[in-house]
Amino acid sequence: EAQVTQNPRYLITVTGKKLTVTCSQNMNHEYMSWYRQDPGLGLRQIYYSMNVEVTDKGDVPEGYKVSRKEKRNFPLILESPSPNQTSLYFCASSFRSNNSPLHFGNGTRLTVT
Amino acid sequence: DAKTTQPPSMDCAEGRAANLPCNHSTISGNEYVYWYRQIHSQGPQYIIHGLKNNETNEMASLIITEDRKSSTLILPHATLRDTAVYYCIVRVGISGTYKYIFGTGTRLKVLA
Repeated sequence: EAQVTQNPRYLITVTGKKLTVTCSQNMNHEYMSWYRQDPGLGLRQIYYSMNVEVTDKGDVPEGYKVSRKEKRNFPLILESPSPNQTSLYFCASSFRSNNSPLHFGNGTRLTVT
Repeated sequence: DAKTTQPPSMDCAEGRAANLPCNHSTISGNEYVYWYRQIHSQGPQYIIHGLKNNETNEMASLIITEDRKSSTLILPHATLRDTAVYYCIVRVGISGTYKYIFGTGTRLKVLA
């Protein structure tokens, strides 16, 4: 089944403890992206990647890192999480063509205390 | 960047058509309009997209005005399961890179 898989679904951690949220897609998509969703603010893009070894900042990249060593994987890294990074996170992917919709994962709810 | 504006909420009676409007007055000529919906806190689900012409699929219809400054998503026979937040999104791109601009969406409530 074609899908975007995020892990974990729920994560509670403490300030400063490094964590990684994984994202994997099986559709051979070139484009992958991370979003965070907060009440009243909608979905905001954190980072995106047009292809392997190519990443760019989105609208809210501070405090996050990403890597794209393989086409299928796009992990989101929080080196030193803070409470203001408590949010619902979504990974998404698509083909690069102008006409290709985004496919979203099921989300990761992160709580930083 | 093209931004989208949607009403924050709408109600619709079950079985009736739900018409969800979206303004995207700054859209450029080659930028597509996409519609997604999100049920509770699940991942947004793709519904339909278009550039200039009206589009229809098994889920919905998309009507885009001739000047492309606004569009309407039509759910022809809304059911209770269509209760969700609906997002109108424009994909903007410069020099081979692109991003999707999300607004805050319309919360549609389908009433029995």
